[in-house]
Amino acid sequence: KAGVTQTPRYLIKTRGQQVTLSCSPISGHRSVSWYQQTPGQGLQFLFEYFSETQRNKGNFPGRFSGRQFSNSRSEMNVSTLELGDSALYLCASSPSTGGSGYTFGSGTRLTVV
Amino acid sequence: AQSVSQHNHHVILSEAASLELGCNYSYGGTVNLFWYVQYPGQHLQLLLKYFSGDPLVKGIKGFEAEFIKSKFSFNLRKPSVQWSDTAEYFCATRNTGGFKTIFGAGTRLFVKA
Repeated sequence: KAGVTQTPRYLIKTRGQQVTLSCSPISGHRSVSWYQQTPGQGLQFLFEYFSETQRNKGNFPGRFSGRQFSNSRSEMNVSTLELGDSALYLCASSPSTGGSGYTFGSGTRLTVV
Repeated sequence: AQSVSQHNHHVILSEAASLELGCNYSYGGTVNLFWYVQYPGQHLQLLLKYFSGDPLVKGIKGFEAEFIKSKFSFNLRKPSVQWSDTAEYFCATRNTGGFKTIFGAGTRLFVKA
């Protein structure tokens, strides 16, 4: 079956712009989590969604937001981009609430210039 | 607060050497524990997981990990590494009933042929 699909794969944005990243989970998976991966900070938790509800949020400013749709697809949005937002954004899905482990997508590489 | 500590950031081994990567977590309640692996150019994938029961869990590609509750540890082991085990390894923890999986900083393993 198809894996976790993230679009776009690469993105270059200018400071101050906003960006929307998309994630399609594995069919039948109802939980989607997002992580920011950088060389210095590793994987930092952004959000976890289950059945269209945000169940938890990491320590990121309010510029970072997300949502999950009824088909379990998820989007995350970053407004007023800063240079420090440059990172690999990973989406992961799980059948239920993530306790069984994740299947990760390949990520969206965001570069802010 | 929930946290995960991986002792070694970089490990270099020769083929056929034994591997042990350390992982300690801070949460005092019931946790689910995971090891993920990221091979060069590939996305993160689940190596093994522990929920309950036998504290020695076996994963893919000959890896195993032992949960020692008294030491808050979940170390990853492999008796004999191969060049193809060169990758970055991440330990992760999730408190049961929570909606957040926390990752360690990762350990880069390089296996010399």
